[in-house]
Amino acid sequence: AQKITQTQPGMFVQEKEAVTLDCTYDTSDPSYGLFWYKQPSSGEMIFLIYQGSYDQQNATEGRYSLNFQKARKSANLVISASQLGDSAMYFCAMREAGGQNFVFGPGTRLSVLP
Amino acid sequence: SAVISQKPSRDICQRGTSLTIQCQVDSQVTMMFWYRQQPGQSLTLIATANQGSEATYESGFVIDKFPISRPNLTFSTLTVSNMSPEDSSIYLCSVSAANTGELFFGEGSRLTVL
Repeated sequence: AQKITQTQPGMFVQEKEAVTLDCTYDTSDPSYGLFWYKQPSSGEMIFLIYQGSYDQQNATEGRYSLNFQKARKSANLVISASQLGDSAMYFCAMREAGGQNFVFGPGTRLSVLP
Repeated sequence: SAVISQKPSRDICQRGTSLTIQCQVDSQVTMMFWYRQQPGQSLTLIATANQGSEATYESGFVIDKFPISRPNLTFSTLTVSNMSPEDSSIYLCSVSAANTGELFFGEGSRLTVL
């Protein structure tokens, strides 16, 4: 069973607007971490933001925020004031406390339009 | 955070040959992870490399095809053996942060097999 689902293969957003990238996950472990990574065309993986399952508040890092809805098992990434440099693949990932491995979603390709 | 250097950054290889990818970390880490990312796909864990013991391989990956060395706490190599065009991928080395458990990645090694 797929543990991380990203239902948007591709998204477009106008420069300076906000965009939400969806991520839902599946786990029976009460303790887990959720992560978002950005992968530009160069191929490197850039860590963006982290949300722990017990965190009471949504995580924020600059223009990135995570809309964490635990009951719905969703962890959507919100990028505010999009920039052309935000065009990239975005991966949602989860790590369960009981394991060492990360599970990555299929990714969403974001294109920012001038 | 950890700084991870990977070599080569990219290579074009002939079918049937082998290539070794090197991964150097700027701090001592217990576990290093090797991922494969096939074109247009997400990341898949190949194996976990522990210093002083054999690597632990994920389902679908075998030591004969992807031998791994881990001679010390800052260095690891992954060899892609007897390559075929299906091995054309980005191979990424990563380590885990002690506190949040986020993964830090090297720049990746983009292999093209002709």
